[in-house]
Amino acid sequence: GQNIDQPTEMTATEGAIVQINCTYQTSGFNGLFWYQQHAGEAPTFLSYNVLDGLEEKGRFSSFLSRSKGYSYLLLKELQMKDSASYLCAPTDSNYQLIWGAGTKLIIKP
Amino acid sequence: NAGVTQTPKFRVLKTGQSMTLLCAQDMNHEYMYWYRQDPGMGLRLIHYSVGEGTTAKGEVPDGYNVSRLKKQNFLLGLESAAPSQTSVYFCASSTGTGEYNEQFFGPGTRLTVL
Repeated sequence: GQNIDQPTEMTATEGAIVQINCTYQTSGFNGLFWYQQHAGEAPTFLSYNVLDGLEEKGRFSSFLSRSKGYSYLLLKELQMKDSASYLCAPTDSNYQLIWGAGTKLIIKP
Repeated sequence: NAGVTQTPKFRVLKTGQSMTLLCAQDMNHEYMYWYRQDPGMGLRLIHYSVGEGTTAKGEVPDGYNVSRLKKQNFLLGLESAAPSQTSVYFCASSTGTGEYNEQFFGPGTRLTVL
């Protein structure tokens, strides 16, 4: 079967660092996407990992371990505008995204 | 480029009424998708299309129909609306080829069925 597990909600402080974990089981695997979704808005693309290791893009980094079925999204220098839901989406054998329920990140001043 | 657009943005229906949601994309993408998103749940795939004239069922297709008569448009129909179909509906599109299959989303349609 297919399963994605990520925390429902996390809280962090402005300026700090937060790591959002995602574990997954899919029928086949062809990479993993992270999307950001602000309340009331559509999801937008953040990152894509297909090989093991860390991909860095400004304040955001994403890590993948294919053998462990594990990924994390690392957000540095948190800003109030980072308050959003973060969706983990591994791809299956047909390259289609399988969506997790998302992690709601709350940033406090 | 407008990307992915959806109409309408909001709609209120009475139980038993029908309606059609329109999705349009100007990126020449082959693949298009309809999702629903409910509080506390992830995006659930209703139907999708891998090209003009083709459609396929997703995870939660019951009560919905779709059509892809033109490559740029993907229509979602509710035959007889039920309160359980109250949700936010997102359309998305992607190239569909190869491993980098990023999906681009429309702004969503907020549907309430009374």
